[in-house]
Amino acid sequence: DQQVKQNSPSLSVQEGRISILNCDYTNSMFDYFLWYKKYPAEGPTFLISISSIKDKNEDGRFTVFLNKSAKHLSLHIVPSQPGDSAVYFCAASAKETSGSRLTFGEGTQLTVNP
Amino acid sequence: KAGVTQTPRYLIKTRGQQVTLSCSPISGHRSVSWYQQTPGQGLQFLFEYFSETQRNKGNFPGRFSGRQFSNSRSEMNVSTLELGDSALYLCASSLGGSSAYEQYFGPGTRLTVT
Repeated sequence: DQQVKQNSPSLSVQEGRISILNCDYTNSMFDYFLWYKKYPAEGPTFLISISSIKDKNEDGRFTVFLNKSAKHLSLHIVPSQPGDSAVYFCAASAKETSGSRLTFGEGTQLTVNP
Repeated sequence: KAGVTQTPRYLIKTRGQQVTLSCSPISGHRSVSWYQQTPGQGLQFLFEYFSETQRNKGNFPGRFSGRQFSNSRSEMNVSTLELGDSALYLCASSLGGSSAYEQYFGPGTRLTVT
């Protein structure tokens, strides 16, 4: 039962353009969502998060949007840079039922071409 | 501030043996979680420790166990290793309070079971 899904295994964009990574979830108990970036042979690096009481959170080039009715969130990277090339994971947490346990999506490989 | 450290970084074991992995969280972080990453299953939650107590547990067999010490350092043990236990084992730390969801990951321990 995949409660967090990232349907696009890969995404390729040009440097300077916008990258949009998508994530869907099924568990309505999830109340906190996070995005991580992962390079090969390294652990995931925390990027940005959003609480279910918000619909948008912005941090520099990164913006996360949450649509609770659609159980969908997205990560926008503007402008995209070659150094952003990595695997991006979305993750969700349900505080009431599972504390700080994170449920991850399968990841999306982002490639930013110079 | 130093990040999450994991030792060893690489390990090769034989089927049937046992292994212990170590994790030192970020200073001040009281929660330590463990995850297994495999190509087929993605990032799967193993368990979480907070103040030396297991607070949450994923769907893994009893061969996987852990503990946390008074200084928040954590160890994970896998007994009677199977070929399918070959994976990247990631440790993550967080403040662990009721409003702290962000988890910060270490570089992982790559375990190979032959």
